[in-house]
Amino acid sequence: GAGVSQSPRYKVAKRGQDVALRCDPISGHVSLFWYQQALGQGPEFLTYFQNEAQLDKSGLPSDRFFAERPEGSVSTLKIQRTQQEDSAVYLCASSLVGASYNEQFFGPGTRLTVL
Amino acid sequence: AQKITQTQPGMFVQEKEAVTLDCTYDTSDQSYGLFWYKQPSSGEMIFLIYQGSYDEQNATEGRYSLNFQKARKSANLVISASQLGDSAMYFCAMREGEGYQKVTFGTGTKLQVIP
Repeated sequence: GAGVSQSPRYKVAKRGQDVALRCDPISGHVSLFWYQQALGQGPEFLTYFQNEAQLDKSGLPSDRFFAERPEGSVSTLKIQRTQQEDSAVYLCASSLVGASYNEQFFGPGTRLTVL
Repeated sequence: AQKITQTQPGMFVQEKEAVTLDCTYDTSDQSYGLFWYKQPSSGEMIFLIYQGSYDEQNATEGRYSLNFQKARKSANLVISASQLGDSAMYFCAMREGEGYQKVTFGTGTKLQVIP
């Protein structure tokens, strides 16, 4: 596809359930980012991959959050034992390494609602 | 301290008029990059414009220009000839350091264009 895609677009989970959010970056993009955007706020960095290597996971809010990108393309963000405070839009972005300013291209996001 | 500060939660502008959205930043790095993104109600983040810390000229992209005042650590976005489709949230963001791509976003400004 031409852009970053994310699935599902909407996810409703009961508190305590595990969820998995998928991101398909733009083909050839080495860098991949996950952000969490709470209602009325700017995106907050969660984690960063370069190819399959997770170079920065400093933004993950707890050990319930786990991200992987095993083949350096598709990435999955997993949230275990979801809590109400996990309700947010989860944005994925990808970029080319070596681009002059490393513009990040964002997907449409997954809106997670935890009941 | 906030790395990116956007002091205007909401702005109104008359169609065809120009509008300035404020952004100040805080960094001790000499090398950094500043971005503006637009987020319409659909949720997708759309890249608008980029300014590198070493760029001597203000960045321009069509109707968008970035008023970069390095000494004041200010990176205001100017939108000329506003259109109804410009109504959206606007986020200022910063990447610090060389090679590293983590981006920090501000809290955003909601712009509404009035016919």
